Amino acid sequence: GQQVMQIPQYQHVQEGEDFTTYCNSSTTLSNIQWYKQRPGGHPVFLIQLVKSGEVKKQKRLTFQFGEAKKNSSLHITATQTTDVGTYFCADRSYNTDKLIFGTGTRLQVFP
Amino acid sequence: DTGVSQDPRHKITKRGQNVTFRCDPISEHNRLYWYRQTLGQGPEFLTYFQNEAQLEKSRLLSDRFSAERPKGSFSTLEIQRTEQGDSAMYLCASSRSGTENEQYFGPGTRLTVT
Repeated sequence: GQQVMQIPQYQHVQEGEDFTTYCNSSTTLSNIQWYKQRPGGHPVFLIQLVKSGEVKKQKRLTFQFGEAKKNSSLHITATQTTDVGTYFCADRSYNTDKLIFGTGTRLQVFP
Repeated sequence: DTGVSQDPRHKITKRGQNVTFRCDPISEHNRLYWYRQTLGQGPEFLTYFQNEAQLEKSRLLSDRFSAERPKGSFSTLEIQRTEQGDSAMYLCASSRSGTENEQYFGPGTRLTVT
């Protein structure tokens, strides 16, 4: 079956440093959604990417969809302690909207 | 609060017992999903409803698991003859069919099987 892997598994950064997580799929992705899960919390939707090569920005967050639609990335500029959490990419099925989640990247930010 | 709600938030049960969880989605959402999440892993899809119809069920889901959404509103997930491997967070999510289709997750039910 489809596997969606993310690297790195963990990232510890000093506040103010940049952070990037990479999402790679064994098969072509339909649409990519990104979610953030705070410690002890539930996943919260961040964004959806649909088109090959698409780039979207949300303040300090930049999301990118690969040209071949087999990978995606999330980059955070100048991390803050509020960015702490686990970031998941997820492949969204065209027909059912079911999500196949990636393995996640846990971000820890030290003040 | 008009978000997705789940009940109970925590459940401790002995192996072999049956448990049932409830999910109340956002009222105007016609799609409802169940996921299971274990520590350090991403949520894993279990099943999906559009209105009252269960349209997809994960092949990983054993026959001990059953879900219903009788009137297209709330949903229940039942696990029969629980096993220790069923210990996990059970997440419910809902969405409205459309372009973005973002899923709104509930707080989850944490199941511990002793």
